[in-house]
Amino acid sequence: DGGITQSPKYLFRKEGQNVTLSCEQNLNHDAMYWYRQDPGQGLRLIYYSQIVNDFQKGDIAEGYSVSREKKESFPLTVTSAQKNPTAFYLCASNMVSGANVLTFGAGSRLTVL
Amino acid sequence: GNSVTQMEGPVTLSEEAFLTINCTYTATGYPSLFWYVQYPGEGLQLLLKATKADDKGSNKGFEATYRKETTSFHLEKGSVQVSDSAVYFCALNPGSARQLTFGSGTQLTVLP
Repeated sequence: DGGITQSPKYLFRKEGQNVTLSCEQNLNHDAMYWYRQDPGQGLRLIYYSQIVNDFQKGDIAEGYSVSREKKESFPLTVTSAQKNPTAFYLCASNMVSGANVLTFGAGSRLTVL
Repeated sequence: GNSVTQMEGPVTLSEEAFLTINCTYTATGYPSLFWYVQYPGEGLQLLLKATKADDKGSNKGFEATYRKETTSFHLEKGSVQVSDSAVYFCALNPGSARQLTFGSGTQLTVLP
């Protein structure tokens, strides 16, 4: 079945460590996105990419980095510069044209100890 | 800029009650509007959408009508079930392949 796979589902990290969250899609979607979700809040866009080897900052990109070397993959690195990284991270994808319906992965929950 | 304002939660209802979750938006042009649902511990799933004024999106007993005159897209269901307990997000796409703007989400709990 087509979809988005995020891993790991749960991740614990010590302060000062970088961590990379994986996102893979087999939907042949052009665009991929990373969102952050905090309790009681909506989704905030971190980074997005509409084409391989190109990506743009979203609303809260500081302390994060991404790459888009393959169409199917859009990993997110949470660096030690991110001051408050404990959150639920959601990856999504869609086709650039059309009604722009997003397909989401199941999410990765990062906890900094 | 674009924005979405949702009714604040949490909302608690008894099974078979009528549900309304209000959503209003601010956008230039003619955005597409969406409702997404998030079950505990999961990602978001598209619930329904409407792409132009007066369109009604519907799915699983939920409905929402795109009202341009009131810039609203309220979610309704005539008889909720315990399994509808989730967080509901209203969102808009302003068009031209631009990113979705999400509301803050409304937590719904349905009691048996």
